Order: sequence, then structure tokens, then C-alpha cells
Amino acid sequence: QKEVEQNSGPLSVPEGAIASLNCTYSDRGSQSFFWYRQYSGKSPELIMFIYSNGDKEDGRFTAQLNKASQYVSLLIRDSQPSDSATYLCAVSPGNNRKLIWGLGTSLAVNP
Amino acid sequence: DGGITQSPKYLFRKEGQNVTLSCEQNLNHDAMYWYRQDPGQGLRLIYYSQIVNDFQKGDIAEGYSVSREKKESFPLTVTSAQKNPTAFYLCASSIKGTGFYEQYFGPGTRLTVT
Repeated sequence: QKEVEQNSGPLSVPEGAIASLNCTYSDRGSQSFFWYRQYSGKSPELIMFIYSNGDKEDGRFTAQLNKASQYVSLLIRDSQPSDSATYLCAVSPGNNRKLIWGLGTSLAVNP
Repeated sequence: DGGITQSPKYLFRKEGQNVTLSCEQNLNHDAMYWYRQDPGQGLRLIYYSQIVNDFQKGDIAEGYSVSREKKESFPLTVTSAQKNPTAFYLCASSIKGTGFYEQYFGPGTRLTVT
């Protein structure tokens, strides 16, 4: 059974701090990794995806991938109250179009 | 504007009735998906389709049916056989060309069955 695991949280950080969200996956053959943000009552929104080991930066967001340790993380710099949401990690095994989803981590950024 | 539309946003039905949820996309994406999300739970795949006139069952297909007669449309029918149909239903699509299979979501339909 292929699995993606995330801490459910809530993760609470003060405004302006760095929020670090982590995700581990069980399928060593996984090829693509995605971070989605979901506000309460809304649909998920793609933030970033990464497929190579290392870091990928986009504005205040940095995705980090370590395939040897089978984890992917999302860093949010200068966190804002508007970043308060649930962050979903998804993994593509690469052999079909399905994604394996984590349950999400709830982030609260306190003013 | 390109995007994925789902209608209606809220839907109320009586137990025992079939109901069809609409999903349309004008992104020219070839693959489409239906998920269900329950409070405090993750996304669970109901059905997906990679090409027109073909679809596959996901993890929780029982009590649901789909069709894919057009590339742009992937309607989901929730039948009376679905034991717990009240949920947030999300439609998504992805394009084949990137190779990374990122999915983009519509706004969702919140179904309540009483």
C-alpha cells in the first residue's frame, strides 16, 4: 500500500516566521511531488511541484526533496495570516495519472 | 478564462434519489478526476478518465457512475446505492504533456442528502 504521511497539526507560527511542513512517502519509485493549499471550505490549489532532489524556490515558498530519505518539505518564509490553511502533499508514482494524497497539515499563522 | 467549473456549488437531495454533478473544463486537459472529501479527511479518488470514452475506478467507486463522452466534460452520478453520499465533491483535470501529472481543481460541489 503506497502511503503519504503528514503531521496533522495544527502547526502554529507567529507572523513573519518560517513555517516548515513535512511529508514522507513510502514508494521509492515516486517521481513527482506536489504541494497544495486548501482554505477551509474551498478546493485545493496547487502551490508547487518538484521532481529533482534539492530545493525549488517560488517567491516565499521553497519545496525541498530528498529521495534517499523519502521526504519532501515545504518552507514558507515570512509567514502571513493569509497563509493559514491546510497544506496537502501529493505524490505521483509516475506509472499512471493518479496521485497519492496525504491527509494534510493545518497551519495557523498568528498575527 | 480557462478553468474548471462545477455546478451547482450546493446541492440538496432526498435519500434514494440519484443526482448528477457537473464538471466542465476548457483547459484542453486530457485527464479528469473525481474526488470525495469528508470533514477532517483526505481526498479519496472515486473515478478518473485519461481519454474520451474511457474511465477507471478509483478507491471508492461503489455507488457512483461516470461518463466521458466529450473531452471537456466528466459528469458524476451519485446513485442511491451510495451509503453515505453527503460530502464535498471535487473535480480535477491534468494535462499529459508535462509528464508531471499535476492536477488542477474546480471549486467543488457540496452535496447534502437527507
